[in-house]
Formats: sequence, structure tokens, C-alpha cells
Amino acid sequence: EDKVVQSPLSLVVHEGDTVTLNCSYEVTNFRSLLWYKQEKKAPTFLFMLTSSGIEKKSGRLSSILDKKELFSILNITATQTGDSAVYLCAVPLPRDDKIIFGKGTRLHILP
Amino acid sequence: SAVISQKPSRDICQRGTSLTIQCQVDSQVTMMFWYRQQPGQSLTLIATANQGSEATYESGFVIDKFPISRPNLTFSTLTVSNMSPEDSSIYLCSVEDPEGEDTQYFGPGTRLTVL
Repeated sequence: EDKVVQSPLSLVVHEGDTVTLNCSYEVTNFRSLLWYKQEKKAPTFLFMLTSSGIEKKSGRLSSILDKKELFSILNITATQTGDSAVYLCAVPLPRDDKIIFGKGTRLHILP
Repeated sequence: SAVISQKPSRDICQRGTSLTIQCQVDSQVTMMFWYRQQPGQSLTLIATANQGSEATYESGFVIDKFPISRPNLTFSTLTVSNMSPEDSSIYLCSVEDPEGEDTQYFGPGTRLTVL
């Protein structure tokens, strides 16, 4: 059965800290992995990763994929209170035209 | 990417009534998706809506409870029928990437509370 597992489920840190969020997956015919940030209601797209070892970066956020070990990490450096959100990892299932989501990591940044 | 609008953004409804949620996208897309996110949970796919065909429902979701329309390539509706408090959730529509990448883009969501 295809699955996506995120850890930790929740995380509380102080502003300025660096955090690493983890996502492991078991998916048949893997093609890509997605990261979303969810504040309030709607997930917003962060990264799509398809190749191992190539870091995607956007400001203080970066992510990398390891297709051999079947995981990805999302790093946030110099965290700010505005980074508080649920971060969702997801893997598309092209054969079904669906995406399966992990349970998310709820990140809370203390001022 | 795609720009998606959804309405209503929130509603409070009485048990036994129905609510129709609308989703509009700024480009033509073949596939649109409807998700539910119950409090503290991740996203659960309700159904996939392709224009010109019946929606495909996931296990645990049925057309009588969640009828879906997809009249054209930029619009879809989801109706939550005969609501009960257990239907209180965030409902999200999403669309496939118009440029064919694997990602989906989400609408702003509808927060539904059923009393």
C-alpha cells in the first residue's frame, strides 16, 4: 500500500532556530514528491522534487530528496513566526491521477 | 500555476440541509479534485471530477451524499447533502497543474460548520 509518513507530527521552536521536517514514502512507480505549506485553510505549493540530491531552495526554505532511502527533508533556517503552519508532504500517483498526503507537521514558532 | 477561487469561504448550516460549494479556476484544466480536511487531519480525497464524465468517488464517499458537477473546463461544484455535524470540515478544491507537472493547486477552501 502506498504511504507517506511525516515526522515529527508537531514541533515548537523559537524564532531564529533552524528546523528540519522529515518525509518518508513507500510508493510504487515513484515520480515526484511535493511539499506544501498550509496556513488556515488552503495548502500552498512550495516545492516539487524529482531528482535525488538536488536541493530546491526558496529564501529560507530548502528541500532535498533521497530516492535511494525514500525520504525528503524540508529545512527552514532563521525561522520566523510567519513560518508557523502545517507542512504537508505529498506524493503523486500518476497511474491514478491522485496525490497521497502525509499527516503533516504542525510547526509553531515562538517569538 | 493556477489561480482558484472558491465560495463560500465559510458557512454555518443546520443539520439536514445541503450546501453547494463552487470552485472556479482561471485556466482550462481537465482534472479537478475535491478534498475534505476534518479537524486535525490531513487531506482526504473525496472525488475526481473530469469535464464531460461522471465524477469518480473514493472509497467511503458516494454520489448521493456528495454530488459533483463539472459543466466546463474551469468550473465545478460540490454539494454536501443532508448534512450532519460529522460533515463539519474544510472542503478544498484543487486542479491539476495546467502545464502538466505532477503538482496540484488548491483553492482557498470552504470552512463548513454543521450545527
